Amino acid sequence: QITLKESGPTLVKPTQTLTLTCTFSGFSLSTSGVGVGWIRQPPGKALEWLALIYWNDDKRYSPSLKSRLTITKDTSKNQVVLTMTNMDPVDTATYYCAHISWFGDLFDYWGQGTLVTVSS
Amino acid sequence: DIQLTQSPSFLSASVGDRVTITCRASQGISSYLAWYQQKPGKAPKLLIYAASTLQSGVPSRFSGSGSGTEFTLTISSLQPEDFATYYCQQLNSYPPSFGPGTKVDIK
Repeated sequence: QITLKESGPTLVKPTQTLTLTCTFSGFSLSTSGVGVGWIRQPPGKALEWLALIYWNDDKRYSPSLKSRLTITKDTSKNQVVLTMTNMDPVDTATYYCAHISWFGDLFDYWGQGTLVTVSS
Repeated sequence: DIQLTQSPSFLSASVGDRVTITCRASQGISSYLAWYQQKPGKAPKLLIYAASTLQSGVPSRFSGSGSGTEFTLTISSLQPEDFATYYCQQLNSYPPSFGPGTKVDIK
């Protein structure tokens, strides 16, 4: 059974760096073909893909946010970490991590999400 | 980047109705399209991938079709638990992008 759970601060100040951790079970990021992605959703708005990382450390980023994002994995801990620098109130959103399907860059298992508010 | 549009953005329907949602891509994406359902306060749930393949455990009243630039999600007989927002997503090329969503509400 695949499960994922996001953790991190619920409130960050503008200009601060956000660090979110996705802790998962039921699969291994050392297995060929496996990947984890991050997606966010501002309140009342649509989903936005942010980044993903594969078992071979291949990393992809949203072009519009690439300069602010870093994604890493810790295979031994079954964790993926996303950092986003220079946070702004427009970055207020629910942040989800998700397992990438064998079929391609779509997401078949999702965490519950964590709401991050950016405010001074 | 590939842009996705969905229509309608909102629809009001009754239990038992047949509902169709359309997703259009700004350029051809073959069949690299997925559909998700999201209920308030919950994470999205994968319904369909490869434009028409039902994810395991998804009821057969859901179906998808299309290729290239135009796709549809159909719910053959709307059930109370189907009232939600539906998103399409393309995975043909980076960055993978989502549509703006279609909210299905109770008439």
